[in-house]
Amino acid sequence: EIVLTQSPGTLSLSSGDTATLSCRASQSVSSSYLAWYQQKPGQAPRLLIYAASSRATGIPDRFSGSGSGTDFTLTISTLEPEDFAVYYCQQYGSSPPYTFGQGTKLEI
Amino acid sequence: EVQLVESGGHLVQPGGSLRLSCAASGFTFSNYAMTWVRQAPGKGLAWVSAISGGGGSMNYADSVKGRFTISRDNSKNTLSLQMNSLRAEDTAVYYCVRVTGTGWANWFDPWGQGTLVTVSS
Repeated sequence: EIVLTQSPGTLSLSSGDTATLSCRASQSVSSSYLAWYQQKPGQAPRLLIYAASSRATGIPDRFSGSGSGTDFTLTISTLEPEDFAVYYCQQYGSSPPYTFGQGTKLEI
Repeated sequence: EVQLVESGGHLVQPGGSLRLSCAASGFTFSNYAMTWVRQAPGKGLAWVSAISGGGGSMNYADSVKGRFTISRDNSKNTLSLQMNSLRAEDTAVYYCVRVTGTGWANWFDPWGQGTLVTVSS
């Protein structure tokens, strides 16, 4: 089973800043099968990024994903107030089990 | 519009059973694998189980294997999760989620709003 470790656990920034969130895998994630999700309090998670760097439909271009192998990054440029949330990475390799990182809380 | 609506979550005693359902609409249900993901109070996301589009292949997390059974009825566009021998650590919000393809190697989108299962005496 691939273990995903996200860092930092909490990131304190201000509107207008750039956020850089990291997700490290215990072994290589095949074909960059990595996604990022955003979750706000009391809401279900929402897909942001899939295949490591492809934005989901309707996601603003200030969200970008990069990386391959075992190291992946979610970058959020020019933070808006609505971006403060918890972010999870997930690997969805060729077969289950699927695994999630423990989450990074982005706070003001 | 794609919609996933879960139901069936409530308070149950340890050792008890519960069946969750998810009603899907807005897409060709049988074309997609489906999955359940849970989130314990104040904790992160944990994958529970997945089923192929045709229903012939299922997978489970080790933590629920032998206790939970995933199934689907493609004629009714419904996904189910039968949960037996429930434990306190099964307490969580359970999300019904579409896997964006018939194969396993696909991301999760969209997510239902979730249904809360509480296991307590």
